[in-house]
Amino acid sequence: QSVLTQPPSVSGAPGQRVTISCTGSSSNIEAGHDVHWYQQLPGATPKVLIHGNNNRPSGVPDRFSGSKSGAAASLAITGLQAEDEADYYCQSYDSRLSGWVFGGGTKLTVL
Amino acid sequence: EEQVLESGGGFVQPGGSLRLSCAASGFPFSNFAMSWVRQAPGKGLEWVSGIGGSGTTTWYADSVKGRFTISRDNSKNTLFLQLSSLRAEDTAVYFCARMSGLVRASYYMKVWGKGTTVIVSS
Repeated sequence: QSVLTQPPSVSGAPGQRVTISCTGSSSNIEAGHDVHWYQQLPGATPKVLIHGNNNRPSGVPDRFSGSKSGAAASLAITGLQAEDEADYYCQSYDSRLSGWVFGGGTKLTVL
Repeated sequence: EEQVLESGGGFVQPGGSLRLSCAASGFPFSNFAMSWVRQAPGKGLEWVSGIGGSGTTTWYADSVKGRFTISRDNSKNTLFLQLSSLRAEDTAVYFCARMSGLVRASYYMKVWGKGTTVIVSS
């Protein structure tokens, strides 16, 4: 049972827009702690996609964007491409646990 | 180029011990907090432990507290994780990660290694 809750899977057709939600609580996201997103391609190491709620590292396409409101955050992917098929994880800090926490991960399937 | 490279994984019996290492390069190692993150087969990411840049402050997930010990040698740009009292549920790929952020509550894992595999089985 992850501290941050994500849907197990989402899917979309090429060119479409999908969103992945990440729901937390008063000790993490709602407390104002930053949310970060990672992409893990099949068989690969996780890679930072969004940090600090809505900041893209250089090299990450602007098709990827992040947002946060209240106790939840979202990752949006527009213009879906086959290469976007991967697992996506949100991450934040939890004050009650005094440590960092991940969501359970969401598998994105491009139809 | 900023890089981290893990080593030390292997096969160990329940109750056994193992020491993982992570060699860092391409950045001023002592300036950054570091973490270990693990991923059990077919499962998601789980933060395991973290350590501040000077090595005096450490953090642990409840699942490993009292069994794992994180440390670092800044003179050798190396991070360690001592795993003890290992259980089957500790079986995972263990990733070393360099953290980034202004304050602890905003830290994220910016640089990841390829991971080292730990298998706990009798």
